Amino acid sequence: EAEVAQSPRYKITEKSQAVAFWCDPISGHATLYWYRQILGQGPELLVQFQDESVVDDSQLPKDRFSAERLKGVDSTLKIQPAELGDSAMYLCASSRDRWEEKLFFGSGTQLSVL
Amino acid sequence: DAKTTQPTSMDCAEGRAANLPCNHSTISGNEYVYWYRQIHSQGPQYIIHGLKNNETNEMASLIITEDRKSSTLILPHATLRDTAVYYCIVRAASGSARQLTFGSGTQLTVLP
Repeated sequence: EAEVAQSPRYKITEKSQAVAFWCDPISGHATLYWYRQILGQGPELLVQFQDESVVDDSQLPKDRFSAERLKGVDSTLKIQPAELGDSAMYLCASSRDRWEEKLFFGSGTQLSVL
Repeated sequence: DAKTTQPTSMDCAEGRAANLPCNHSTISGNEYVYWYRQIHSQGPQYIIHGLKNNETNEMASLIITEDRKSSTLILPHATLRDTAVYYCIVRAASGSARQLTFGSGTQLTVLP
């Protein structure tokens, strides 16, 4: 069964450093999501793409976070500079389109900021 | 604002049915009830969704009350691998409110 691929699985960085996460959605999925999950809480949507366009980034802290999906396939989420409060699991999900009932999630990148 | 209310945790004996409740008293007519689960160190996994009729698939059954203000997810024969956090989510059928918004969920522990 096709899966959403994310890398790295774990990332440790120091505050004020830059960090990037990569996501490769299921082939043919037009919609891609980035979520952040703080320990003990449910995932929170950061940004949603439809193909290469941002559909919703209202919850993305744009002063330090950026996301791109240049060719409408894989995507990168960047944080610069990282802060201690950014320590969390960053999850990527995809769906065939924005009306698809199911979202398929990757296993996430666990970020620790020291 | 939380649209759903779930118990923080529940236990279930292996082989027995697990019944996970969810209250969504402010649900509107065009909103569906979705269930996802998240096994430790993995991303969430879709289980089932419904509008007003009961639904069943290979993973679970979803029972929605007639007034749609609450629902129950049923895992008919729970196994140790069903130990996970279960999220009940209300999601609009269309429009900008269609985002999948997770609450804190219910930690289900299946006991041997």
